[in-house]
Amino acid sequence: GESVGLHLPTLSVQEGDNSIINCAYSNSASDYFIWYKQESGKGPQFIIDIRSNMDKRQGQRVTVLLNKTVKHLSLQIAATQPGDSAVYFCAETYYNQGGKLIFGQGTELSVKP
Amino acid sequence: SAVISQKPSRDICQRGTSLTIQCQVDSQVTMMFWYRQQPGQSLTLIATANQGSEATYESGFVIDKFPISRPNLTFSTLTVSNMSPEDSSIYLCSVGGGHYGYTFGSGTRLTVV
Repeated sequence: GESVGLHLPTLSVQEGDNSIINCAYSNSASDYFIWYKQESGKGPQFIIDIRSNMDKRQGQRVTVLLNKTVKHLSLQIAATQPGDSAVYFCAETYYNQGGKLIFGQGTELSVKP
Repeated sequence: SAVISQKPSRDICQRGTSLTIQCQVDSQVTMMFWYRQQPGQSLTLIATANQGSEATYESGFVIDKFPISRPNLTFSTLTVSNMSPEDSSIYLCSVGGGHYGYTFGSGTRLTVV
C-alpha cells in the first residue's frame, strides 16, 4: 500500500540516549523486513534486516525487533549520535515479490547535542 | 551488494517538458525498480523494469507518463513526461534481493517550475 500523510512523525532525542523507532507493517504475508536510513539529499541506506522466522536481530548499535502478532517492527539505536539524525523507513516484502518493497511512513530522528 | 549510479542528481525543469533519468548497476540484475518520493513522504513503487519485456506499473502509474527502458541487465531509464509541478519529487532506482541486496541509487531530485 501507499504511504499516507504529508508530514513525517519526528522523534527528538538527546545525544547518548537510546532511540526507539516504531513501524506498523501492512501485510501479514510479509516475511522479510528492512530498516533504511535516509539522510538529506541521499538515497535510502540499508541498516539492518530481519526475516519473519526471527524476533530479534542485532547489529552494530542497532537492534530490530519483530512482533508478527501485531505486525510491528521497531528499530533501537543505542547511544544515539548526531550522525544518526536522518529519516528512518521500514520496508517489507515477501517471497516471489522479486525485490518489490512496500515502505512504511518514515520517522525523522533529530539528535540534540 | 550492488552499487547503483543514478543521474542526474537533480534538475529543474519547465512544465510540459520531459526528463529522462538514468540508472547504471555494477552487476547484472534481473529486475530493477523505480520509486517516487514526494516531498515529506515515503517511497512509492512506480514500476518494475525487466530486461527484455515491458515494465510492470503499479496502480496509479501509467506508461505514457513514466515510460521505462531496460535495454540490458545493468541499465534502465525512467522518463517523466509532460511534467507539471505535481511531479516534483525524488525519483529513485533500486535493485532487490539475493546477493545484490536491496540497494538504492542516490536519487534524482526533480523540481518542475
